[in-house]
Amino acid sequence: NAGVTQTPKFQVLKTGQSMTLQCAQDMNHNSMYWYRQDPGMGLRLIYYSASEGTTDKGEVPNGYNVSRLNKREFSLRLESAAPSQTSVYFCASSPRDLNTEAFFGQGTRLTVV
Amino acid sequence: GENVEQHPSTLSVQEGDSAVIKCTYSDSASNYFPWYKQELGKRPQLIIDIRSNVGEKKDQRIAVTLNKTAKHFSLHITETQPEDSAVYFCAASLTGGFKTIFGAGTRLFVKA
Repeated sequence: NAGVTQTPKFQVLKTGQSMTLQCAQDMNHNSMYWYRQDPGMGLRLIYYSASEGTTDKGEVPNGYNVSRLNKREFSLRLESAAPSQTSVYFCASSPRDLNTEAFFGQGTRLTVV
Repeated sequence: GENVEQHPSTLSVQEGDSAVIKCTYSDSASNYFPWYKQELGKRPQLIIDIRSNVGEKKDQRIAVTLNKTAKHFSLHITETQPEDSAVYFCAASLTGGFKTIFGAGTRLFVKA
């Protein structure tokens, strides 16, 4: 039972490069989320998808785009990476809204130089 | 919008002692308060949660209390063990909401 799987686990980008972080869940959850984790700042929501076919901005959406490809997959794209986007990124899913437990992926450590 | 403050940022205790982490929230409409534990290099995982219609919930050595009037909730860990060493996050959300707001985290060290 894989749960929530993210790829890649580590990535180094040069400023201005683009990349897509992939996330897939096998728990048949409706809702999926992307967070970033920075020291001393907890987890901040970037984008979320309440259900297949919908996406919405979270607390810190600038510089990112997302795609809910199907019920299982939710990707995060950085079009032009900046050093301020150096962070650990977590994908998560929950059965419905966030009034229930969120299950997290193992994280992607991204460094932008 | 919701704001969650968490204290302390770092907590060091001796094995066997109790640890208490406190959080306050700003939105009185919030009604779900989960706590997540994140071990070094690992993903956050839910350890306990409480809803606004309950004042206290306990699961073995872990308990959470909620004071809706004061808008604060706390995590209590008794008989701490070295494996309790981790970062703990509190959070707040509301029914039908997708924007859970997390506290900044507390790094707990349990010294053997």
